[in-house]
Amino acid sequence: AQKVTQAQTEISVVEKEDVTLDCVYETRDTTYYLFWYKQPPSGELVFLIRRNSFDEQNEISGRYSWNFQKSTSSFNFTITASQVVDSAVYFCALSANNAGNMLTFGGGTRLMVKP
Amino acid sequence: GAGVSQTPSNKVTEKGKYVELRCDPISGHTALYWYRQSLGQGPEFLIYFQGTGAADDSGLPNDRFFAVRPEGSVSTLKIQRTERGDSAVYLCASSSGGRAKNEQFFGPGTRLTVL
Repeated sequence: AQKVTQAQTEISVVEKEDVTLDCVYETRDTTYYLFWYKQPPSGELVFLIRRNSFDEQNEISGRYSWNFQKSTSSFNFTITASQVVDSAVYFCALSANNAGNMLTFGGGTRLMVKP
Repeated sequence: GAGVSQTPSNKVTEKGKYVELRCDPISGHTALYWYRQSLGQGPEFLIYFQGTGAADDSGLPNDRFFAVRPEGSVSTLKIQRTERGDSAVYLCASSSGGRAKNEQFFGPGTRLTVL
């Protein structure tokens, strides 16, 4: 069985602060993929990033960065210099070829960035 | 190009009624997924189509739920004898390959309310 845990249900920061969203996963598969999605107030899930289980390199895209550590089964997401437009619910998700290809989502972290 | 579209955007029905929710995937995407998102939770997998066939329906909660994709494009999720517990946002996603590594692109969802 697959499981994704996002322990932080809600985070509130002031604009320009850095914030890290935690994600811990469980899977028996050796080949799997990790994703982050953003769900703004409009409701539509927006794809942010995918990492595969064989690539532990950290990735940076503008103000976003991701830290994948297999040793701790974690795939954390950091937003640097947060902005009000970053306010949304962020979901971490997992998929694996041997587990049906569907996404298993965490419960989400609601990020509120205040001006 | 056009993204995933879902109709209706909102559906209010009475307990015991039958409803149909429609999903129009991105053109050319062979894989189509249905998820259900209850308030404050992450999306939960319902069913996955590869082409016209349901490759995995393990997430359907009971036999009141059924989905079809007769021509390998548009899909309809059908719910019989609706119950108040069926109230949720129903999300549809499509991907180009139907493999675990493929990003899934989500539609805006249909908010179903069962009174």
